[in-house]
Amino acid sequence: EAGVTQFPSHSVIEKGQTVTLRCDPISGHDNLYWYRRVMGKEIKFLLHFVKESKQDESGMPNNRFLAERTGGTYSTLKVQPAELEDSGVYFCASSQGVTAYQETQYFGPGTRLLVL
Amino acid sequence: QKEVEQDPGPLSVPEGAIVSLNCTYSNSAFQYFMWYRQYSRKGPELLMYTYSSGNKEDGRFTAQVDKSSKYISLFIRDSQPSDSATYLCAMSRGFNAGNMLTFGGGTRLMVKP
Repeated sequence: EAGVTQFPSHSVIEKGQTVTLRCDPISGHDNLYWYRRVMGKEIKFLLHFVKESKQDESGMPNNRFLAERTGGTYSTLKVQPAELEDSGVYFCASSQGVTAYQETQYFGPGTRLLVL
Repeated sequence: QKEVEQDPGPLSVPEGAIVSLNCTYSNSAFQYFMWYRQYSRKGPELLMYTYSSGNKEDGRFTAQVDKSSKYISLFIRDSQPSDSATYLCAMSRGFNAGNMLTFGGGTRLMVKP
């Protein structure tokens, strides 16, 4: 079974441009999470989807970030316009969502974003 | 102050050594405690998962949680060069808080043959 996939693996853009990151969760997983690690810092939560609904977006840094999950399948995270401080590694994770307990979150390989 | 503190290392040990990795945390609401392993250019991979206080063993790995001290540990016995990676502790408040994970900064481990 395929794991969580993310595209692109790397992106280099200039300040002010727009970038869209994509995440394909494990098939059948209702929960989808976005996390981000900026240089020298820990991995931090951005937001959580349950199917197509945003359950928690408390970690989104500002309104330049827009996340969507069409039809409860793949998700996109758009940064518009990108700023230098947005550089980092963006991780997507998914979990099944069938229990009321902490479920294992399976992480993708991440998208490395560099804003120049 | 960070919610989860973790020594970044690097920690260098000879093959066969016992490795001890630790995290401290400040939020007493954390109920679930995890250790992830991350190889270079890869995503984090779950190693161990513990609910509340206690010990859990899986092969060469043992996870310990002491909620009274807000301190968690991961022990690796008979360490191998293939264990060389960054180890991340992660915690959550559980289902009612959406299961979002709070991570430590990671400890880089190098096991030398």
